[in-house]
Amino acid sequence: QQPVQSPQAVILREGEDAVINCSSSKALYSVHWYRQKHGEAPVFLMILLKGGEQKGHEKISASFNEKKQQSSLYLTASQLSYSGTYFCGTGITGNQFYFGTGTSLTVIP
Amino acid sequence: DAGVIQSPRHEVTEMGQEVTLRCKPISGHDYLFWYRQTMMRGLELLIYFNNNVPIDDSGMPEDRFSAKMPNASFSTLKIQPSEPRDSAVYFCASSFRRASEYGYTFGSGTRLTVV
Repeated sequence: QQPVQSPQAVILREGEDAVINCSSSKALYSVHWYRQKHGEAPVFLMILLKGGEQKGHEKISASFNEKKQQSSLYLTASQLSYSGTYFCGTGITGNQFYFGTGTSLTVIP
Repeated sequence: DAGVIQSPRHEVTEMGQEVTLRCKPISGHDYLFWYRQTMMRGLELLIYFNNNVPIDDSGMPEDRFSAKMPNASFSTLKIQPSEPRDSAVYFCASSFRRASEYGYTFGSGTRLTVV
């Protein structure tokens, strides 16, 4: 029931774009996205509650395709500060929630 | 608000010893979660509470693990006796209302090393 993320790891140069995908084998009703920097706690980025909903702030946005049971996180014009591990979290019922496998993102100058 | 506060930040203990991890959730949050993070298994939910009542402890690996939440502002996770395979980072997180509809706020974690 753990959602699968792809890619597992990605290296970008500053200014490049990236997409991280999150797929579930179960029907979803919510998706969270978190970023965790090395040695720190995960930090909540955003939540999507409706199929087709897109959210974002600054240059990080996400979409949620309820039919395909997928979500994607879009990082535009990446900055060094975007480096970290990104996790999706999926709600499959009101009381069941699973974190994804994680995607390591490294932005280099 | 100071956020979710966990203590200690680091714990090194010998196999067989009792370990107690502590957590103070954000005031007003009615859900509290204990997670364990390892390279091999990622973030695993151990147990969660709603209004101080344990709701789901199916993730607790063995009887050696126990968790309590005596009041809305304090929770403990105890491992007795500890084993080397318990070495991991343990996170406490809290949330307002139903956890799946709101973001989790994580504490800084406790890095546990059992030797």
